[in-house]
Amino acid sequence: GAVVSQHPSRVICKSGTSVKIECRSLDFQATTMFWYRQFPKQSLMLMATSNEGSKATYEQGVEKDKFLINHASLTLSTLTVTSAHPEDSSFYICSASLTSGSTDTQYFGPGTRLTVL
Amino acid sequence: GNSVTQMEGPVTLSEEAFLTINCTYTATGYPSLFWYVQYPGEGLQLLLKATKADDKGSNKGFEATYRKETTSFHLEKGSVQVSDSAVYFCAFFALDSNYQLIWGAGTKLIIKP
Repeated sequence: GAVVSQHPSRVICKSGTSVKIECRSLDFQATTMFWYRQFPKQSLMLMATSNEGSKATYEQGVEKDKFLINHASLTLSTLTVTSAHPEDSSFYICSASLTSGSTDTQYFGPGTRLTVL
Repeated sequence: GNSVTQMEGPVTLSEEAFLTINCTYTATGYPSLFWYVQYPGEGLQLLLKATKADDKGSNKGFEATYRKETTSFHLEKGSVQVSDSAVYFCAFFALDSNYQLIWGAGTKLIIKP
C-alpha cells in the first residue's frame, strides 16, 4: 500500500512552453502533498506544500506564478511549470502524507525528469 | 531551528562490511524520524522509521534506533551488498513548522564487490 505515482516520468520540452506534472496517491487519500526539486548531487529542496481545496504554500524563493500547484482532490496534485526555461531543468518529486495514528509518513512518487531545451 | 546533520559522503565500503551512517538532529519536541533511500535513477523510498524514543526501525537488514539523549538516529547494517549502493537521507517532520520534512544532505554509499 501507500503508493504514489507521477506522470510523466520524463519530459522534454522547448523553452517557453508549459509542462504539467501529475502526482497521484493510488491507494490512500492525502490531504497534504509536497513538491520537491532535486538538483544534481544535492538533497531535495521543498518547493511548496499543497493542501486539498486550498492554495499551496510556497517556500521562500520559489516563484508561485512560475510553478503553479493545484490540489483538486484528495488523490491528485498537479505542478505546472509555466514558460519553462533551461534553468528549470531538474528532477521534480512529489510526496503524499499518510497519517496513521499520531504519525505522518511521506510516501514519494518516482519523480519526473524535466529537460528544457 | 530544525536541522539534520548527516555524515558526509561518499562512503565507500567493501561487500559484507559493517555500515554506519551517522545522523543527528535538532528539533522541537520529539518528532518521528525517518531514513529514506534513493537508488540510482530512481525516486526516494522510505527505508525505515521510528516514532518515539528507544524505538528501533528496521527494514532490509538496516536498523536505526531513536536516541533521545543523544538526538541521533544512526543507520546501521551488519553486512552490506553491492545492491545497497544508493544515497541515504535522514529526515523528520518539524512539529513546530507545519510538519515540514527536514532533510539531511544525504550520504552516498558505494559498495565495491
